[in-house]
Amino acid sequence: TQLLEQSPQFLSIQEGENLTVYCNSSSVFSSLQWYRQEPGEGPVLLVTVVTGGEVKKLKRLTFQFGDARKDSSLHITAAQPGDTGLYLCAGQGGSEKLVFGKGTKLTVNP
Amino acid sequence: EAGVVQSPRYKIIEKKQPVAFWCNPISGHNTLYWYLQNLGQGPELLIRYENEEAVDDSQLPKDRFSAERLKGVDSTLKIQPAELGDSAVYLCASSRWDSPREQYFGPGTRLTVT
Repeated sequence: TQLLEQSPQFLSIQEGENLTVYCNSSSVFSSLQWYRQEPGEGPVLLVTVVTGGEVKKLKRLTFQFGDARKDSSLHITAAQPGDTGLYLCAGQGGSEKLVFGKGTKLTVNP
Repeated sequence: EAGVVQSPRYKIIEKKQPVAFWCNPISGHNTLYWYLQNLGQGPELLIRYENEEAVDDSQLPKDRFSAERLKGVDSTLKIQPAELGDSAVYLCASSRWDSPREQYFGPGTRLTVT
């Protein structure tokens, strides 16, 4: 069974601070995705990374896929209250099935 | 482009009662997924459809859960009878056949079983 562990589970920071959340596994994934979920809504896809070592940027968000395709990180620069939400990573293994981590609940205080 | 539509958004029922959730995927998306999300957890796949065929239902508790997608478009997930432990958010997602990683989620149905 492929498992994804996310850390930290909870993160509360002040507006303007930087942060990094992590997604780790002992399994290799063909791709990895990051989603953001707000209360009462479904997850919204932010990015998909496919190649080991790949780095993608989405405005103030930087996503990195580990060289061995077992882990990923999400870095947010100068966090804003609008970044508040549950950040989920999801990996795709040999099948088309997505395996989700438990998420990191981020709160950015004004 | 309209997103994935789910109804109802909220449902409260007593244990042992039946309940059904409905999902209409994004137009043109032939793959449809039902996920279960418990509080503080990530979504877990219950069943995946390719058109009207259930291609992965290994995680669906078949003693009480059933699903259908008769015409390969909208889908219904049913629980009969519901148990207290079924309280959760039920998410529907869809994707194009050639982009299985690009899953688009609906807002979910929050089920409370009392």
